[in-house]
Amino acid sequence: EAAVTQSPRNKVTVTGGNVTLSCRQTNSHNYMYWYRQDTGHGLRLIHYSYGAGNLQIGDVPDGYKATRTTQEDFFLLLELASPSQTSLYFCASSGGPSGNTLYFGEGSRLIVV
Amino acid sequence: GDSVTQTEGLVTLTEGLPVMLNCTYQTIYSNPFLFWYVHYLNESPRLLLKSSTDNKRTEHQGFHATLHKSSSSFHLQKSSAQLSDSALYYCALSDPHQGGRALIFGTGTTVSVSP
Repeated sequence: EAAVTQSPRNKVTVTGGNVTLSCRQTNSHNYMYWYRQDTGHGLRLIHYSYGAGNLQIGDVPDGYKATRTTQEDFFLLLELASPSQTSLYFCASSGGPSGNTLYFGEGSRLIVV
Repeated sequence: GDSVTQTEGLVTLTEGLPVMLNCTYQTIYSNPFLFWYVHYLNESPRLLLKSSTDNKRTEHQGFHATLHKSSSSFHLQKSSAQLSDSALYYCALSDPHQGGRALIFGTGTTVSVSP
């Protein structure tokens, strides 16, 4: 069974605060993704990566940075958090592009006050 | 660009009744993959079913969908809804030309099944 683990699961921060969301996958997948989930918008792609050291921009990248340090680890960084970034964040991994199944983590709920 | 449209934001129904969730898509590519993902509360979203074959019915866990390229549709159906089907359902599109960009998701349909 594919495994994607996210931390923290819940986080509250203040406006302007610094937040790092972590994701680790043990599937030996090359592809990893960060999505945010918001009512009425569904799942929107923030950043993704093909492998260690690679970073690609998704559809809603403003205010977010990401880093892929190893094949297993993908981090999402919010350096100046804003209330608009309050959301449920999902990390996912995949063994390849088109046609491959995405395996999601449990989600990280972020509240920016 | 590519897009996925789910017209219903919320579907409420009584247990035992049939359910159909609409999904249409736009892509310039002639051989896309279409997916349905399900997200139960407090769990991770997971794949329900997928298809890339035109006019072939795909089934899983009592749900089924048929990709119709002529109408760019991939509607999800179940003949008899159960309470446990209450969840958020996403239709998604994968376009090989997008490389590793992964899936384009629709806005999701929340299904609420009551006794």
